Amino acid sequence: GEDVEQSLFLSVREGDSSVINCTYTDSSSTYLYWYKQEPGAGLQLLTYIFSNMDMKQDQRLTVLLNKKDKHLSLRIADTQTGDSAIYFCAENSGNTPLVFGKGTRLSVIA
Amino acid sequence: EPEVTQTPSHQVTQMGQEVILRCVPISNHLYFYWYRQILGQKVEFLVSFYNNEISEKSEIFDDQFSVERPDGSNFTLKIRSTKLEDSAMYFCASAPGGGGYQETQYFGPGTRLLVL
Repeated sequence: GEDVEQSLFLSVREGDSSVINCTYTDSSSTYLYWYKQEPGAGLQLLTYIFSNMDMKQDQRLTVLLNKKDKHLSLRIADTQTGDSAIYFCAENSGNTPLVFGKGTRLSVIA
Repeated sequence: EPEVTQTPSHQVTQMGQEVILRCVPISNHLYFYWYRQILGQKVEFLVSFYNNEISEKSEIFDDQFSVERPDGSNFTLKIRSTKLEDSAMYFCASAPGGGGYQETQYFGPGTRLLVL
């Protein structure tokens, strides 16, 4: 079945850029998402990208998609302590169920 | 900004008891979902609901689970006889439907269920 893989931990210094990586297996994935989960909270949609795009930028967030390698990344510029959270990569094809990765725990060191 | 709401935020129950988790999806959304996240694990899909019927369900969604949209606003998940392994955070999500960005699913804050 489909699978989404992410590294589990990332630690960066405040002000640096963070890059969170994700790989997926489903070649029919149409939509790819990044969700943020703060401690004890729900899943906040951060951004998404369609599979016919290579890049999407939204303020401090840059999403890169390499469809050939099935690789998705999320870059957070000027990382702040408030960015500390778990970041989930997810994919689906239209209204199909989302398939999530295990999440990457981002720790920002002041 | 409209958001998905869920009640209760926490629920503690005894094994074998029935629980009902409630969700109010975003108004005018057409697709509804339940997911769960066991502590430290991936978020897993349970069921999707469209046009007043289940459109897809996972292996987790067995006969102990049911969903209902009793009125125009609520979307509920019922677990008939809870087991210890049902302890998890349960997330409701909704999507507008209609193609393109309107497939994006928006999640509620979750209900943390603890079965003792």
